Amino acid sequence: DIVMTQSPDSLAVSLGERATINCKSSQSVLYSSNNKNYLAWYQQKPGQPPKLLIYWASTRESGVPDRFSGSGSGTDFTLTISSLQAEDVAVYFCQQYYSSPYSFGQGTKLEIK
Amino acid sequence: EAQLVESGGGLVKPGGSLRLSCAASGFTFTTARMSWVRQAPGKGLEWVGHIKSKADGGTTAYAAPVKGRFTISRDDSKNTQYLQMDSLKTEDTAVYYCTAGFPYSSSYWGQGTLVTVSS
Repeated sequence: DIVMTQSPDSLAVSLGERATINCKSSQSVLYSSNNKNYLAWYQQKPGQPPKLLIYWASTRESGVPDRFSGSGSGTDFTLTISSLQAEDVAVYFCQQYYSSPYSFGQGTKLEIK
Repeated sequence: EAQLVESGGGLVKPGGSLRLSCAASGFTFTTARMSWVRQAPGKGLEWVGHIKSKADGGTTAYAAPVKGRFTISRDDSKNTQYLQMDSLKTEDTAVYYCTAGFPYSSSYWGQGTLVTVSS
């Protein structure tokens, strides 16, 4: 099974500053036949279900603000929020869908400093 | 607008059974890979399993903790996904989310239904 590990577990960033969350998989989630990384990022606000932000590691879901971006390949991935807004306070999860079970990272709690 | 509505959660004793339903609307259900994801109180997300679209083979896959106890099915004529949960354990207590993917990442999520396993 693929283990997903996020860092840090929690993060406090000032409004307007950059926030960076990392996700590492225990094995590559890059499928060589199509050169796609089978990795997604989700945002979960308190009392709400998760919301898809990024898929294929770097493709923004429709309607997601462009301050959110995903990068990385193979086993190391990053979610970046370029200029933190108050509404971005949430827990962020990465998930691999390369092989079953489609495991999630443990989550990163993002707060305002 | 896409919508997923879960139902069937509640309180059940250890060893008992429960069936969750997920009614879908606003998207082409037959093309979606439907999944269940759970979240224990105050914890992270745990993938439970999925059922592929019929065009993709219609097969199921499960996480190890639920394999052999949980069964995912779908009725494309009713745009509904089901999660049959048998031999429930206290550690199955969680909010259960229904999700839809095209075909992999979960694009749509329901609001979740709480399952509490306790004597």
